[in-house]
Amino acid sequence: NAGVTQTPKFQVLKTGQSMTLQCAQDMNHEYMSWYRQDPGMGLRLIHYSVGAGITDQGEVPNGYNVSRSTTEDFPLRLLSAAPSQTSVYFCASSLSGRADTQYFGPGTRLTVL
Amino acid sequence: GNSVTQMEGPVTLSEEAFLTINCTYTATGYPSLFWYVQYPGEGLQLLLKATKADDKGSNKGFEATYRKETTSFHLEKGSVQVSDSAVYFCALSDQVFYGGSQGNLIFGKGTKLSVKP
Repeated sequence: NAGVTQTPKFQVLKTGQSMTLQCAQDMNHEYMSWYRQDPGMGLRLIHYSVGAGITDQGEVPNGYNVSRSTTEDFPLRLLSAAPSQTSVYFCASSLSGRADTQYFGPGTRLTVL
Repeated sequence: GNSVTQMEGPVTLSEEAFLTINCTYTATGYPSLFWYVQYPGEGLQLLLKATKADDKGSNKGFEATYRKETTSFHLEKGSVQVSDSAVYFCALSDQVFYGGSQGNLIFGKGTKLSVKP
């Protein structure tokens, strides 16, 4: 099992550019989520999905889109990057929900200039 | 609302010292409590958890006891090693009902631990 994988590991964008952060898991987990980690802020939930075809907003969803067409994949799209989106992004999955043990990917470090 | 407060770091200890990282919470319902660890350059991974009052979670020499009377879940280790250097996150999940898996997962801000040889 590869667990939760994320690509790319690092990315630099210019303001206004768009991009997609990829996340995949091979554990057949129903629940997947995206967090951003900023210094002194802990982890904040961006979007989550309780199963294929179902997504919902978390604490800080503005500027991000998600979709879940398969159980395995949960990409995060930045529509028009802003410097405030400079952060480390983590994808996580769990068997059935947020109260379950979360399995995290290695993260994507994004810098927006 | 529900919240998690953990001691601010950084915490610097010598090898073989005793470690305590304090964590207190505010929650209603049936919260489960977690400690996650993030090693440099990696994602978070579960260190231990407790799902009900008086439960003790333990792993890799770390322990934490779910204390409902003091709303605490302090992390302890008797003798730290250099390899324990990491950021530790206390977290709470407030299930909608006991044993359920829906609800919110709330993280503390993290405590950075550095262990010197």
